[in-house]
Amino acid sequence: EIVLTQSPGTLSLSPGGGATLSCRASQSVKSNYLAWYQQKPGQAPRLLIYGASNRATGIPDRFSGSGSGTDFALTISSLEPEDFAVYYCQHYGRSPFTFGPGTKVDIK
Amino acid sequence: EVQLVESGGVVVQPGGSLRISCAASGFTFDDHTMHWVRQAPGKGLEWVSLISWDGDSTYYADSVKGRFTISRDNSKNSLFLQMDSLRSDDSAFYYCARGDVPVQVFAPSDFWGQGTLVTVSS
Repeated sequence: EIVLTQSPGTLSLSPGGGATLSCRASQSVKSNYLAWYQQKPGQAPRLLIYGASNRATGIPDRFSGSGSGTDFALTISSLEPEDFAVYYCQHYGRSPFTFGPGTKVDIK
Repeated sequence: EVQLVESGGVVVQPGGSLRISCAASGFTFDDHTMHWVRQAPGKGLEWVSLISWDGDSTYYADSVKGRFTISRDNSKNSLFLQMDSLRSDDSAFYYCARGDVPVQVFAPSDFWGQGTLVTVSS
């Protein structure tokens, strides 16, 4: 089983600032099958990034993904008020499709 | 418009059984792999199971293997999760989610339902 570790656990930032979230895998992720999701309280997760660096439909270009192998990152270039949420990474190259524990981005 | 609506979540005693459902609409259901993902209140996401578009392939998290069974009825655009030998740590919101690439098992989930709450308690 691939274990995903996300850091930091919490990121306290101001609107307009930038954010970089890390996701590290215990083994190489096949074909960079790594996704990022955003979840707000009381809502289902929303797909942001797939294939490590491809934005999903309708996702603003302030969100970008990078990385390969075992080290991945999600960057938010300029935080909007609606971006304060919890972010999860997930690999989907083989079963089980584990999620990381999440990074909470909250308002400083 | 893609819609996924879960149902069937209730309070059940430890050791009991429950089947939850997901009704899909707005897309060609039998082209897509479907997933169950759960989230205990205030906790993170845990992938539970997937079933391929044709029902021929199924996969499970170790935590539920041998206790849960995923299935689908493509004629009724429905996804199911049969949960047996339930434990208190199975208590969670259960989301159904769609694999975003047609006829592909290894794909991320692009649409999610709003979840159904399963509580295992005496």
